[in-house]
Amino acid sequence: QVQLVQSGAEVKKAGSSVKVSCKTSEDIFSTSTISWVRQAPGQGLEWMGVIIPAVGAATHAPKFDGRVTMTTDESSFTIYMELSYLRSEDTAVYFCARADTSMAVPYYFDYWGQGTLVTVSS
Amino acid sequence: ETVMTQSPATLSVSPGERATLSCRASQSVNDKLAWYQQKPGQAPRLLIYGASTRATGIPARFRGSGSGTEFTLTISSLQSEDFAVYYCQQYNDWPFFGGGTKVEI
Repeated sequence: QVQLVQSGAEVKKAGSSVKVSCKTSEDIFSTSTISWVRQAPGQGLEWMGVIIPAVGAATHAPKFDGRVTMTTDESSFTIYMELSYLRSEDTAVYFCARADTSMAVPYYFDYWGQGTLVTVSS
Repeated sequence: ETVMTQSPATLSVSPGERATLSCRASQSVNDKLAWYQQKPGQAPRLLIYGASTRATGIPARFRGSGSGTEFTLTISSLQSEDFAVYYCQQYNDWPFFGGGTKVEI
């Protein structure tokens, strides 16, 4: 069974950074892409970016230029998303989501992590 | 950027009734359209991809249709567990979600 297990909730100050993790299995790490999708309180879903864990190549939505970094740790099959220069409007639940493709192309998401609440305080 | 618009924002139905949810794209996305169900405090769950293909384990009462710019999710006979928020997502270009339709009693 596919599992994506995310790190716990975070409270951060405006202007700081947060790093959220998403732990997968070797099979998922090697054959899938992982996207990050966020959801502000009471709002809809917003795609942030995607990474191919097997090669480390990533791309992100223009809105997050200069602020989002996606990385991996192959030894633990973990994917990370770091968002910097946090502001209050970044308060949201952040999800990692798998696409069953090995290429960084637009796709749908068949498995999701449980979500990580990031709260940004001023 | 392809913008997705869902309607209605809220749909009030009774158990056993049919629910029809709409999703419109600002330009053609061919059949690259997915539907998700989300319940409070949970991650989204994939229901439909390719506009009309049910994901693994999804009951037959969920039916997706449409192509191009107009899409519909039909739930033929609402069960109590179907009351949730539903999102469409296009993947013809970088993923973009609709604003959601809340299905309530």
